[in-house]
Amino acid sequence: GAGVSQTPSNKVTEKGKYVELRCDPISGHTALYWYRQSLGQGPEFLIYFQGTGAADDSGLPNDRFFAVRPEGSVSTLKIQRTERGDSAVYLCASSLLGPANTEAFFGQGTRLTVV
Amino acid sequence: AQRVTQPEKLLSVFKGAPVELKCNYSYSGSPELFWYVQYSRQRLQLLLRHISRESIKGFTADLNKGETSFHLKKPFAQEEDSAMYYCALKQRRYGGSQGNLIFGKGTKLSVKP
Repeated sequence: GAGVSQTPSNKVTEKGKYVELRCDPISGHTALYWYRQSLGQGPEFLIYFQGTGAADDSGLPNDRFFAVRPEGSVSTLKIQRTERGDSAVYLCASSLLGPANTEAFFGQGTRLTVV
Repeated sequence: AQRVTQPEKLLSVFKGAPVELKCNYSYSGSPELFWYVQYSRQRLQLLLRHISRESIKGFTADLNKGETSFHLKKPFAQEEDSAMYYCALKQRRYGGSQGNLIFGKGTKLSVKP
């Protein structure tokens, strides 16, 4: 695809349920980031993948949040026992790796609503 | 603490007027700063970065280390400039140029005809 693709675009779930959000990065982009954007706020960093491994998960708010990238391409953000406070737009971004400054390209986001 | 501050939630100007969107940062190392823009119903996209010293769509931004600022400016605003603007700071880690972005809360620019 031409850009970063995120599915679903919208997700409504009940409190306590489990959800998975998918990110398909630009082909060849080794670096992948997840951010969360709450209403009226800028995006906040959650986790960074370099290839298949999570190089930095310091932004994950608690252990209900987990992300994987098993083949170094598609990534899935998983949220267990969802809470109303998890409602936000979840953004994925990908970029090349390299010594030069590389631009991060963002997906359209998944709007998660927990009711 | 590393932080990006955008003091204005909303900035409203008339077409043809000058625009300045303010951004201040706090960072212990050598900062790498960006402006991202989000037009209505579109994804977040890079507008410009300080290291390139470029002008995109008539916008410029100069890094002022003394004032820890990276304000975005345009001499003559156009209606199509109406959008959300986010200032962002790269939190460089992992021993190289990679790092996540720390975003400000954003400023909504509204350009009236």
